[in-house]
Amino acid sequence: TQLLEQSPQFLSIQEGENLTVYCNSSSVFSSLQWYRQEPGEGPVLLVTVVTGGEVKKLKRLTFQFGDARKDSSLHITAAQPGDTGLYLCAGGLTGGGNKLTFGTGTQLKVEL
Amino acid sequence: KAGVTQTPRYLIKTRGQQVTLSCSPISGHRSVSWYQQTPGQGLQFLFEYFSETQRNKGNFPGRFSGRQFSNSRSEMNVSTLELGDSALYLCASTLGGGYNEQFFGPGTRLTVL
Repeated sequence: TQLLEQSPQFLSIQEGENLTVYCNSSSVFSSLQWYRQEPGEGPVLLVTVVTGGEVKKLKRLTFQFGDARKDSSLHITAAQPGDTGLYLCAGGLTGGGNKLTFGTGTQLKVEL
Repeated sequence: KAGVTQTPRYLIKTRGQQVTLSCSPISGHRSVSWYQQTPGQGLQFLFEYFSETQRNKGNFPGRFSGRQFSNSRSEMNVSTLELGDSALYLCASTLGGGYNEQFFGPGTRLTVL
């Protein structure tokens, strides 16, 4: 069973602070996606990374895929209250079709 | 382009009953995956359908089943409901048969009493 462990589990910060969320596994994934989910809604895709060592930037969000494709990180610069939500990483396997293995989740709260 | 729609959004059932949930994928998308989300277990993969065929299946009992129609709409059925089946059931739509980005619907919140 492939497991994706995220850390931290909970994070409460002030507006303007920076933060990093980690997603780690002992398994190699062919791709990794990051989602943000708000209460009562489905996850919304933020980014997909597929190449070991790949770095993608989405405004204030920076995503990195580990060289060995076993881990990933999400860094948010100057967090805003609108960044509040549940952040989920999800890995896909070659030959696994569209099956995703989801991480344990990081609940982020950004306060004014 | 309309997103993924799921019906109903909320459902209350009692133990032993069965339930059917529906998912309409994004127009043109041929793959539909189902996930169960609970506070304790997080998001867990149930199964995936592509071109009306189940292509992948997660580790759930046979009480959980699904199907896909020729228009790519999908349904999932849970029979003999248990209290532990209370969860948010999410449907994800993907364009093709290989690995592609998934787009989720808002989910169906099932409560089993």
